[in-house]
Amino acid sequence: KNQVEQSPQSLIILEGKNCTLQCNYTVSPFSNLRWYKQDTGRGPVSLTIMTFSENTKSNGRYTATLDADTKQSSLHITASQLSDSASYICVVSEGAGGFKTIFGAGTRLFVKA
Amino acid sequence: EAGVVQSPRYKIIEKKQPVAFWCNPISGHNTLYWYRQNLGQGPELLIRYENEEAVDDSQLPKDRFSAERLKGVDSTLKIQPAELGDSAVYLCASSPPEMNTEAFFGQGTRLTVV
Repeated sequence: KNQVEQSPQSLIILEGKNCTLQCNYTVSPFSNLRWYKQDTGRGPVSLTIMTFSENTKSNGRYTATLDADTKQSSLHITASQLSDSASYICVVSEGAGGFKTIFGAGTRLFVKA
Repeated sequence: EAGVVQSPRYKIIEKKQPVAFWCNPISGHNTLYWYRQNLGQGPELLIRYENEEAVDDSQLPKDRFSAERLKGVDSTLKIQPAELGDSAVYLCASSPPEMNTEAFFGQGTRLTVV
């Protein structure tokens, strides 16, 4: 069964600190992997998207990595800000075109002052 | 350019009543998705459209849920009759026809069934 598992389930860090969120998947055939940020009461917003041939992609203070061999991805947040408090969802697409998606349950990040 | 627009933002109904949600995708996006998101969980796909054709509705509870996308633009999702367990956020998303592109989400409709 195709699955996407994220860890930790929740995380509390101090403002200015770095953190890394993990995503493991068993989706096959793999098409692409995306990280989304979802603020409370809002829809998810895309941070990064990586295909099989890409192993890192950055978007400002967010850097995603992908190891397609071990089927693992991470999202690293540098110099966290209060506005980074949100859920971060890993999404893996399977098959041609990448339209069939499997969502992880998300990691809830709390950044404290 | 406007993003994905959903309405209403919130809806409270009594169980056994019908309810409908509306979504207007980003112009030019031929792929439209409806998701259901329970508290603390990731979104779960209900149905995916390519233009006006439903290409994946395997997770749609067809006994009470229905959806349509006439003319391949905006879409409605209906629940009739609603049950207490249907309380969730219903998200609409759209993506362009190119492969491996991101999906853009609306703000969702939060449904509470009492």
